[in-house]
Amino acid sequence: DTAVSQTPKYLVTQMGNDKSIKCEQNLGHDTMYWYKQDSKKFLKIMFSYNNKELIINETVPNRFSPKSPDKAHLNLHINSLELGDSAVYFCASSEQGQETQYFGPGTRLLVL
Amino acid sequence: GQNIDQPTEMTATEGAIVQINCTYQTSGFNGLFWYQQHAGEAPTFLSYNVLDGLEEKGRFSSFLSRSKGYSYLLLKELQMKDSASYLCASPHTNAGKSTFGDGTTLTVKP
Repeated sequence: DTAVSQTPKYLVTQMGNDKSIKCEQNLGHDTMYWYKQDSKKFLKIMFSYNNKELIINETVPNRFSPKSPDKAHLNLHINSLELGDSAVYFCASSEQGQETQYFGPGTRLLVL
Repeated sequence: GQNIDQPTEMTATEGAIVQINCTYQTSGFNGLFWYQQHAGEAPTFLSYNVLDGLEEKGRFSSFLSRSKGYSYLLLKELQMKDSASYLCASPHTNAGKSTFGDGTTLTVKP
């Protein structure tokens, strides 16, 4: 059973398009996260949600909009994609927000 | 705020021992994590230290000194499959935020 899953695994798209990435966790965790890992491999937090409520928004352009329909899901919608958005996006979850984080397999986004 | 420093790259020989250091400055301390990330894969949990001292788990050990703001990950009997990036991370006092170091890329050579 996959603990944290993301779809799609690969996403290739044109500049200016709008795309969504979905994340689901079946661990019963309360907190979920989105991270961006760029070509230099730096892992930077973008958002975190606790029980469907946004608690962290780290200076991310407002083209990025997370949505949490329930505490097991955290989706990321990106408007007007730019070349600099090309990266690997990881979803993660943890029990209460300060414990071990479990990462999804990542979504490799390439904007052409 | 949170600030975490670790070396960018390290190289070691198969069968040897390597120590990856991490120094941190945090406004509130809630322990220190180490994660392993193989190329093209997601980070996976290795260890969590909240008290001073050494915690051993098989070939991997992690050490913490809170007074010095210092941690290290010790890998013994290195294997080729240990070639990966090792990330030091500090959870923030505000639930939901962890700061990750930029990772140390370890290359194990025969």
